[in-house]
Amino acid sequence: KAGVTQTPRYLIKTRGQQVTLSCSPISGHRSVSWYQQTPGQGLQFLFEYFSETQRNKGNFPGRFSGRQFSNSRSEMNVSTLELGDSALYLCASSLTGYYNEQFFGPGTRLTVL
Amino acid sequence: AQSVAQPEDQVNVAEGNPLTVKCTYSVSGNPYLFWYVQYPNRGLQFLLKYITGDNLVKGSYGFEAEFNKSQTSFHLKKPSALVSDSALYFCAVEDNFNKFYFGSGTKLNVKP
Repeated sequence: KAGVTQTPRYLIKTRGQQVTLSCSPISGHRSVSWYQQTPGQGLQFLFEYFSETQRNKGNFPGRFSGRQFSNSRSEMNVSTLELGDSALYLCASSLTGYYNEQFFGPGTRLTVL
Repeated sequence: AQSVAQPEDQVNVAEGNPLTVKCTYSVSGNPYLFWYVQYPNRGLQFLLKYITGDNLVKGSYGFEAEFNKSQTSFHLKKPSALVSDSALYFCAVEDNFNKFYFGSGTKLNVKP
């Protein structure tokens, strides 16, 4: 089975711009979660989608949003980028999202200048 | 507030010696506990999980973890470390609302 894929792998943007990241889960996995990884804060949960519905949300501002398509692929959007948004953004998929291990993608490295 | 603590930023151990990577949590209810490992330039990989049952859980690559409810701890252990175990280890907790909380990570250095 192919693993979780994320595109693009690297992005450079400037403050004020917006960005869209994409995640393709493992085939058959219906839950997709997004995390922000930074050296100082570790991994922080952004949100989780299941069957095209946001089922859980972390403590991030509304500039961070996401969606999930009928094929379980997910996108994450960050609007009005700030310097502090520079991070590795990880996507993880699991069968149902509850009590299941998550399978992580390699991440998208976002740099905001 | 819910939180997961990994008190050691770095753990150094000699190859062949036992290793322990510590994790404590402050999460209400009966959470589910996980360990993940991140190798350089690779995504996080699942190691093991505790849902219920025996407090000692065995996982991938010879790792195991001990759940202690009274101390709210879930320490990762391995009887004999390998140089290839050198990586960044994350403890994660899923609360009863199915939200995940990760620790800040512990860098494990295994020296030959």
